Amino acid sequence: AQSVTQPDIHITVSEGASLELRCNYSYGATPYLFWYVQSPGQGHQLLLKYFSGDTLVQGIKGFEAEFKRSQSSFNLRKPSVHWSDAAEYFCAVGDGGYQKVTFGIGTKLQVIP
Amino acid sequence: SQTIHQWPATLVQPVGSPLSLECTVEGTSNPNLYWYRQAAGRGLQLLFYSVGIGQISSEVPQNLSASRPQDRQFILSSKKLLLSDSGFYLCAWSETGGRYGELFFGEGSRLTVL
Repeated sequence: AQSVTQPDIHITVSEGASLELRCNYSYGATPYLFWYVQSPGQGHQLLLKYFSGDTLVQGIKGFEAEFKRSQSSFNLRKPSVHWSDAAEYFCAVGDGGYQKVTFGIGTKLQVIP
Repeated sequence: SQTIHQWPATLVQPVGSPLSLECTVEGTSNPNLYWYRQAAGRGLQLLFYSVGIGQISSEVPQNLSASRPQDRQFILSSKKLLLSDSGFYLCAWSETGGRYGELFFGEGSRLTVL
């Protein structure tokens, strides 16, 4: 069965600092990987997705993620965090054929001035 | 453009009562449909998903069931609610076609079972 692990439930960073949110997945074949963000009072928004090809994926709002098959990871990064990035971030994995999308428990990001 | 509507937004029900949450998608055909439950510390838990009318895959054995009576309608039900069914339920859809696209979420339904 596919699964996603987000080991950090809560992360606090200073505004302007770099950010890396960790995501590890478990899936027997080539995964389809996603990062979603849920800002306070808002719905879930897709940041980026990986299906195949270049393992470094660029997303919206200056985010990027790197797929590392050897480590079963898909970590999300941003070089300089803005206060508006404070939100909850969800990593998700999709299977290859049955359209099943499984999410991690989320990482809540706090940005301090 | 495509839209997704989910209702009711808020529901307070006694233990043992039935439940029906409805989700409708407009502006697309044959979407994949999903029911998730979001809880603090548990993230988005996949409950059911459907790739077509009458095709329901259940992910978590529980007190709930799902149905897809029409192409763009997805219903979450229970015959007798439990306290543990309280939570925030999200419906979502995505395009079909063999490749993954973005999941589009409804506004959510907050269920409180007393």
